[in-house]
Amino acid sequence: AQSVTQLGSHVSVSEGALVLLRCNYSSSVPPYLFWYVQYPNQGLQLLLKYTSAATLVKGINDFEAEFKKSETSFHLTKPSAHMSDAAEYFCAVSPMDSSYKLIFGSGTRLLVRP
Amino acid sequence: DAGVIQSPRHEVTEMGQEVTLRCKPISGHNSLFWYRQTMMRGLELLIYFNNNVPIDDSGMPEDRFSAKMPNASFSTLKIQPSEPRDSAVYFCASSLVGETGGVDEQYFGPGTRLTVT
Repeated sequence: AQSVTQLGSHVSVSEGALVLLRCNYSSSVPPYLFWYVQYPNQGLQLLLKYTSAATLVKGINDFEAEFKKSETSFHLTKPSAHMSDAAEYFCAVSPMDSSYKLIFGSGTRLLVRP
Repeated sequence: DAGVIQSPRHEVTEMGQEVTLRCKPISGHNSLFWYRQTMMRGLELLIYFNNNVPIDDSGMPEDRFSAKMPNASFSTLKIQPSEPRDSAVYFCASSLVGETGGVDEQYFGPGTRLTVT
């Protein structure tokens, strides 16, 4: 079965610093991959998705992620953190044989220090 | 567009009572999903509807849970009888899935926070 592992339940960065949130997936076949963000008391919002086109995917709010098949990774980065980026981030995988399904990681809470 | 609408936003009920959660998907979307979010288990897909037909209900925990989609603009998730372990945030999401099952973004509602005492 497909799964997603997010390393670090909490990540703390200073405002203006690089954001790096890690995600590894388990799959013998490259799946579809997503990053979602959840602000407090809200639903999830799509940041970006990988669907086998370009391996470097750009999303909203200057976030981007790089698909690395050799490392089975899809890490999320942002060059400069803003206070408004504080939220919980979820990596998700969608198996190619049942692409409607999203299997979520456990989430990483991003804290941004002033 | 108003996005996915869920009601109520908060529900507190006593063990044994029936609970009904409601969802209005985005107009034009043909797929609807119910998820449950808890600290222990994270986000879990409960059931997936395509064109109002349940396609995958393998995530429904047990017979106490049921979901319906009588038309393209409305769905319910019912728990009867409710138990304290059902306490969670329940999300509804909708999407437009092509005939080949192509991937598209799922749009999430704000969720219903259910507390069963």
